[in-house]
Amino acid sequence: EVHLVESGGGLVQPGGSLRLSCAASGFTFSTYWMTWVRQAPGKGLEWVANIKQDGSEENYVDSVKGRFTISRDNAKNSLYLQMNSLRAEDTAVYYCVRGGAGWAAAGTSRYYYYYMDVWGKGTTVTVSS
Amino acid sequence: SYALTQPPSVSVSPGQTASISCSGDDLSNKYVSWYQQKPGQSPVLVIYQDDKRPSGIPERFSGSNSGNTATLTISGTQALDEADYYCQAWDRRAVIFGGGTQLTVL
Repeated sequence: EVHLVESGGGLVQPGGSLRLSCAASGFTFSTYWMTWVRQAPGKGLEWVANIKQDGSEENYVDSVKGRFTISRDNAKNSLYLQMNSLRAEDTAVYYCVRGGAGWAAAGTSRYYYYYMDVWGKGTTVTVSS
Repeated sequence: SYALTQPPSVSVSPGQTASISCSGDDLSNKYVSWYQQKPGQSPVLVIYQDDKRPSGIPERFSGSNSGNTATLTISGTQALDEADYYCQAWDRRAVIFGGGTQLTVL
């Protein structure tokens, strides 16, 4: 069975750092894009970052650029999110998510798709003094 | 930056059809996915690439995408379909989520 298990969340002071981890099992980790998505209390879903299968491409939401770094270790079937200079607005549940991506034809055109088909249970990050 | 707009809430009677819209500029030129999230649970993918259902998702869930609007349709809505629903697309190397729609079955 496919599983994603996040860890590393907790309470941290503003300006502090935290490293989230995600352990994947039940699928060939190295063949999938991986994603971090967060959800602030009572709010909607917000994409944070994603990383290509071989780690050669990383993308970030503007609000975390320069502060967060996504990485992966395919030998360990693990995904990471290094979070520095944390702010109160980073408080959220952070989900590790498997991505499905590629090109598909629609009529006479081709469009890129990216969807997220397996979600972990999330780990809570609270930034507060 | 690209934005997806959803109605904050939709209500439907049990057994009826629920439609949740998601609008964005030239949205039909992008692939749309939909996620269901029940209170205290992780989101679940219910539609991907506009109209495809993952295995295990009931046939009453369907999707379409035309012009500037994508639509998630739930036929024969059941009480267990009450949840928040989010649309999502990819634009310029970023994942974009809609703000979410709370579906109430009453």
